Amino acid sequence: DIQMTQSPSSLSASLGDRVTITCRASQGIGNFLAWYQQKPGQAPKLLIYGASTLQSGVPSRFSGSGSGTEFTLTITSLQAEDVATYYCQKYNSAPPWAFGPGTKVDI
Amino acid sequence: EVQLLGSGGGLMQPGGSLRLSCTASGFSFGSYGMGWVRQAPGRGLEWVSGISNSGGTTYYADSVKGRFTISRDNSKNTLYLQMNNLRADDTAEYFCAKDHWVRGSYFDYWGQGTLVTVSS
Repeated sequence: DIQMTQSPSSLSASLGDRVTITCRASQGIGNFLAWYQQKPGQAPKLLIYGASTLQSGVPSRFSGSGSGTEFTLTITSLQAEDVATYYCQKYNSAPPWAFGPGTKVDI
Repeated sequence: EVQLLGSGGGLMQPGGSLRLSCTASGFSFGSYGMGWVRQAPGRGLEWVSGISNSGGTTYYADSVKGRFTISRDNSKNTLYLQMNNLRADDTAEYFCAKDHWVRGSYFDYWGQGTLVTVSS
């Protein structure tokens, strides 16, 4: 099975900072990579799919890039409402459609 | 507006059975795959199971294969997860989620979660 890893596991940044989270797959997955945001006590919310396509309604300060085995999620100017845990998920071909372990972002 | 309402969670003893349900509205249920994702207390997300739009193809994580069964009733807009031989490590919030495609894609909408606790 393809394994997903994320780094860092947690980070603390200041309002307005640029934040970058990395997700790596143990094998190439093309661009079949999604990013989710989960705030405490809430269900996850889709941010990005196809590695770089922003889901409708998601603020443009969020962006994604990468392909193959290495991907990044960037928040260009961190806002208070961005405090959450962020997960990547691969969804190419065969299951399991594994999630990364998550990156907790706080201010 | 897409809505997914999960139900059926509760406290069960090890070895017991439970059926979760997820009632969908706001989209053409029979046109999309669906899935279940769980989250143990204080832990990350774990993909559990998926089903194609027709129900003809199902997928399971190794951790639940042989114990859990996913199914759907497109006439009732409802997704199910039959959980048998429950273990303590099945304790988690269970989220139902809508696939973007007929099967095996990212989840574009999520339900609010239903809590399953397995303990003696």
